Amino acid sequence: SQELEQSPQSLIVQEGKNLTINCTSSKTLYGLYWYKQKYGEGLIFLMMLQKGGEEKSHEKITAKLDEKKQQSSLHITASQPSHAGIYLCGADIQGAQKLVFGQGTRLTINP
Amino acid sequence: EAGVAQSPRYKIIEKRQSVAFWCNPISGHATLYWYQQILGQGPKLLIQFQNNGVVDDSQLPKDRFSAERLKGVDSTLKIQPAKLEDSAVYLCASSFRITSGIITDTQYFGPGTRLTVL
Repeated sequence: SQELEQSPQSLIVQEGKNLTINCTSSKTLYGLYWYKQKYGEGLIFLMMLQKGGEEKSHEKITAKLDEKKQQSSLHITASQPSHAGIYLCGADIQGAQKLVFGQGTRLTINP
Repeated sequence: EAGVAQSPRYKIIEKRQSVAFWCNPISGHATLYWYQQILGQGPKLLIQFQNNGVVDDSQLPKDRFSAERLKGVDSTLKIQPAKLEDSAVYLCASSFRITSGIITDTQYFGPGTRLTVL
């Protein structure tokens, strides 16, 4: 089984709608990173969370790390076509000092 | 500031052939990573360098994969001989250092090399 589970695996939303992607672990996350990947390209860093209860926002994207540091959510408000892509969470699990990634969530925005 | 550079971007080879990928990290970044990303999955760490020393290569298939970072800057990942299951995107990433305390430093990724093994 995956050390980091992302849900949903794919998501299709109408332009302008809000959406949420989740990233869950059974172990403590010592650093949680959100990346975005366009098909066939590298990963673009979005945000990093490390403290329980922490929340960060950039433009219309907000990421949160829960108090127990075992789950993170990525929320997009008023989605746009430019938000389409694959969203990946990566985390340092239990202080192993290396990143483990979830399987990704493929986001499609319909006009 | 220039990002992580990788070449080639695409490579098609026959099984049992050899292939090499090159990575140039962000200037000043001491730590370099190679990941394998199979279609539909997240990246999997193959090897991690700190300067020119290997920090973690526990998931590198050492019977066919090798990597080096001789002068602590550029790195090369080689596969010899390639198998069909090696078809994937190979991503290089770099970070300023491994950790600040127990938190890994932010990793910045290159565009990747898409390998197809026929």
